[in-house]
Amino acid sequence: DTGVSQDPRHKITKRGQNVTFRCDPISEHNRLYWYRQTLGQGPEFLTYFQNEAQLEKSRLLSDRFSAERPKGSFSTLEIQRTEQGDSAMYLCASSRAGLTEGFYNEQFFGPGTRLTVL
Amino acid sequence: SQQGEEDPQALSIQEGENATMNCSYKTSINNLQWYRQNSGRGLVHLILIRSNEREKHSGRLRVTLDTSKKSSSLLITASRAADTASYFCATGDNAGNMLTFGGGTRLMVKP
Repeated sequence: DTGVSQDPRHKITKRGQNVTFRCDPISEHNRLYWYRQTLGQGPEFLTYFQNEAQLEKSRLLSDRFSAERPKGSFSTLEIQRTEQGDSAMYLCASSRAGLTEGFYNEQFFGPGTRLTVL
Repeated sequence: SQQGEEDPQALSIQEGENATMNCSYKTSINNLQWYRQNSGRGLVHLILIRSNEREKHSGRLRVTLDTSKKSSSLLITASRAADTASYFCATGDNAGNMLTFGGGTRLMVKP
C-alpha cells in the first residue's frame, strides 16, 4: 500500500534561504491539500488542488509561498526567504473526489515535513 | 483560525476505561472527521460522519454528531495504552475544499 509520502521528513535551514517540499499523493486521488501545523495546535489549511488546478489559497499563504501540481500527480510547496515563524510541520493530504455533488471523502495525510528555520 | 474546540484539552485514564472527547464548531458543515496523531507521526483518519448522520461506529470508536448544537463526541471504549495520542476533530465545509481542525485533545492511557 502506498499512502501519501512527503520528502524530506526534516529540513533545517537558515533564515532567508528558500526551501522546497514534495508530496506524492495516493495515486487515484485527484485532490491534494497542504496544511501547516505548529506545536500544540491542530493543522491549518494552506492550499488545495483538484488535479493540476490550484483552487483555493488560505490567507496564511503569503506571497513567499508557492505551490504547484504540474501534472496533477505530485505537488511541491516552496517557501522563499524563510523566516523563523515559518518553522512548523508541513502536512500534505489527498482525497478522492466524491461521486456525487456534495459528497466529500476523507483526507489521508502524509507523515509531514518538519521545517526548522534558524 | 481554528473552528473547532476540543474538550478536554488533556485526558488521562487507565487502560480498560472509556475515553470521551467532545468537539464544538461554529459554522455549517458538510461532514466532521476525527483524526489521531501519535508523537512524531502523521495524522491518521479514524472516522467520518456526514451532516445528515447522527451516530457512527467503527470498532471501539463511537462518534455522535448534533448539528443543532454544533457539537460532536468521540468515544473510545476499552482503551489501550496504544490509544495514547492527540485526537483532533476537523470539519469539512460545504465546498469540500478544506478541513478546519480544532486544537486537539491529548489522551494518555496508563497501562
